[in-house]
This record gives sequence, C-alpha cells and structure tokens, in this order.
Amino acid sequence: GIQVEQSPPDLILQEGANSTLRCNFSDSVNNLQWFHQNPWGQLINLFYIPSGTKQNGRLSATTVATERYSLLYISSSQTTDSGVYFCAVFPVGAQKLVFGQGTRLTINP
Amino acid sequence: DADVTQTPRNRITKTGKRIMLECSQTKGHDRMYWYRQDPGLGLRLIYYSFDVKDINKGEISDGYSVSRQAQAKFSLSLESAIPNQTALYFCATSGAPREGQPQHFGDGTRLSIL
Repeated sequence: GIQVEQSPPDLILQEGANSTLRCNFSDSVNNLQWFHQNPWGQLINLFYIPSGTKQNGRLSATTVATERYSLLYISSSQTTDSGVYFCAVFPVGAQKLVFGQGTRLTINP
Repeated sequence: DADVTQTPRNRITKTGKRIMLECSQTKGHDRMYWYRQDPGLGLRLIYYSFDVKDINKGEISDGYSVSRQAQAKFSLSLESAIPNQTALYFCATSGAPREGQPQHFGDGTRLSIL
C-alpha cells in the first residue's frame, strides 16, 4: 500500500519562528489533508489540498502532486500552534485515508 | 467539527464489558468511518460505511463491530473489551473523494479499559 512519510518527526522552536513541515507519499492520490491535533486530542482540519497552494492566515500549504509531496508552512509561530500535525492522503483507487505518523511541534515562549 | 458528534467523550470501563461508541452527523454525507489512535501514532481505520447497506472492514477490525442505523448514525461496538483496546477513537464523514470532499472528524472518544 501507499507509504506516507512526514518529516521532521519532532520540531522545537521559539515563539515567532517560522517552520516547514513535509509530507511525502509513494503513489498517486485523489485527496490530501493537513490536520492539527491539539493537546486535547481534537483533530482540526487545516487544509484540503490535493494540488496547488492555499493560505489561511499564518498557515499555508503547497502540494506538488506530480512529485508526490506536500509542505505545510507556519509563520510567526505561537504557543497555541503546539501539537501534532498530520498529513493524510486518499490514494487513487483506494477507499480510505492513510495517515502519516505526524510531526510533533513544540513552540516555546 | 461540530457537525460530527461523538458520544461519550470519555469512558472508563473494565475488561470483558460490552461498550458502544456512537457517532452522528448533520453534514448529509453518505460515507462514515471509525478510526483508532494509539499514543504517539497516526490514525488507523477500523470500519467504514459508504451507505446504510454497505459496511466494510478496515485494517484493524478484529474485536470490533459496527452498525449503520441511518445515513446520519454510525456506531462502534467492542463486544468484550480488552486493555489493548485502550485508545482515542474518532468518527469521520465525507462525500465521495472524486467530488473533492475532505473528511470531517468528530472530537474523539477517549476510551480506557482497566
């Protein structure tokens, strides 16, 4: 089956820093989503981005489907950005989302 | 996502008990899913349903069963709970992927089996 790899696994930054999280996938996909899991365990939809670039405030994402990767950018980090960021893909011909293992982001004040 | 409601939010129970987790949605989606998340890991699919009469096993269905009572309701049962089923459980809904529909997740049910 498809492999979804996220990097880095852990990232520790100071408040105000910028960061880039990467998601590589091994096969063609119909959908790609980025989620933020907050300290209470809730999964927050950040982006639905099978291709192209989207921005929402301090966050933006780019997916290059032909090269099988997606990037999530976080600018001017805040402590509330801490948590785990998941990339999930819906492979072509499959029936389910496949999740990466996540990037744990810690923003220190 | 407030349109996907899971109950209960937290549950502590004993080994051998039967447990039901419930999920309801107001998004009008045909597709519903149950996932499990273990600490430090991503989500794994337990069961999914594309309509009331179409239910399919996911990658880790052993020890679980589901019921799709209506388009809007999808419940997950643990017939005889065991400690290694302690996890965070999520319900999700979506339209068909080709329609450009993302999956929408409930807030999760934290289940502890003693």
